[in-house]
Amino acid sequence: KNEVEQSPQNLTAQEGEFITINCSYSVGISALHWLQQHPGGGIVSLFMLSSGKKKHGRLIATINIQEKHSSLHITASHPRDSAVYICAVPSGGGADGLTFGKGTHLIIQP
Amino acid sequence: SQTIHQWPATLVQPVGSPLSLECTVEGTSNPNLYWYRQAAGRGLQLLFYSVGIGQISSEVPQNLSASRPQDRQFILSSKKLLLSDSGFYLCAWSRTGSEQYFGPGTRLTVT
Repeated sequence: KNEVEQSPQNLTAQEGEFITINCSYSVGISALHWLQQHPGGGIVSLFMLSSGKKKHGRLIATINIQEKHSSLHITASHPRDSAVYICAVPSGGGADGLTFGKGTHLIIQP
Repeated sequence: SQTIHQWPATLVQPVGSPLSLECTVEGTSNPNLYWYRQAAGRGLQLLFYSVGIGQISSEVPQNLSASRPQDRQFILSSKKLLLSDSGFYLCAWSRTGSEQYFGPGTRLTVT
């Protein structure tokens, strides 16, 4: 079974700062997911990537398959980016069920 | 476009009572369906997944069961709730090899 480690667990930064969240996993995968969970609990899929780099607005996700590592970057961070960011990989058990990291709780202060 | 619904949004149930949570998906056919749970202070955990009507796979042994009576309906049940069943339950759907889309979730408190 895949193990997923995220760091940091908690991150507080000032508005405008460049943010990096890291994710490592133990078993080779076909794709990795980055998710965003807002205080109410709702989860939104940000990225699904299997190689290289993807960019949506101020969010950038990278993955290094050989090193089993991915990073999520936020440029020009804003208070509305405050949320829990979760890394997830296929659990390997069937279908596309996911195994999740514990999440990074990000707070952006104005 | 596709939409995923869950109900109820919140639920408070006594220990030993039954449970039924429902998830429905609109705008797609033959989706993969998933039930996840997030216990207080813990990460998300896959409970069940289904690749078709009547096909259920369990990832962890527990007090819960799942059923898929229709293509776009996924139900999570328990005959007798335990305190440890409290948590935030999320339903999700996907196409094989694609992103997962999550429902709004049900917050269950067992008292």
